[in-house]
Amino acid sequence: IQLTQSPSSLSASVGDRVTITCRASQGISSFLAWYQQKPGKAPKLLIYAASTLQSGVPSRFSGSGSGTDFTLTISSLQPEDFATYYCQQLNSYPLITFGPGTKVDVK
Amino acid sequence: QVQLVQSGAEVKKPGASVKISCKASGYTFTSYYIHWLRQAPGQGLEWMGIFERTDIGTPYAQKFQGRITMSRDTSTTTVYMELSSLRSEDTAVYYCAREDTRGYFDYWGQGTLVTVSS
Repeated sequence: IQLTQSPSSLSASVGDRVTITCRASQGISSFLAWYQQKPGKAPKLLIYAASTLQSGVPSRFSGSGSGTDFTLTISSLQPEDFATYYCQQLNSYPLITFGPGTKVDVK
Repeated sequence: QVQLVQSGAEVKKPGASVKISCKASGYTFTSYYIHWLRQAPGQGLEWMGIFERTDIGTPYAQKFQGRITMSRDTSTTTVYMELSSLRSEDTAVYYCAREDTRGYFDYWGQGTLVTVSS
């Protein structure tokens, strides 16, 4: 199962609403997660099962979608949110795949 | 608290093997599966395999089959990943990650840089 993300990068300002999309090459129900990765660090789980917020993750992050189209939204971008975001599917577990990533940087 | 601590950076020549360790602590070691993933410089995340799922067919990504071996030492709560016949394209940061009860990766090691160069 292939995942595509759009955009591949975006520039935004603190306080902006940011939306990233992930599209699967075939239906994956809600078996999708979103991770945040900062330079030199391991990824961090933000959202699982397409829309469930991982414990400890700020509520400004939200996820939606099912089937083939998914969205990660940051309602009000904070300085610590500048990072790269990856979607991940596990519908074909254990053959897990990730999207190519979306880099969010400072406008 | 849950921690996954990986071994240090490695430099290898083409054709050699590398064995990376991932020491787990803070949870019941045998109750969770460990996955291995990698990230080439400036690239995305690539899933390599899972230790140890023998009930669901091949636990490794097809591109690594025949070159990858995973093992575990329960006495030291450490999982190992060995990759053989290294080539320059294997230069990457390698991560171990714990699969939570829902199938997602909730804890990650800090990463191990493997550089393959002659």
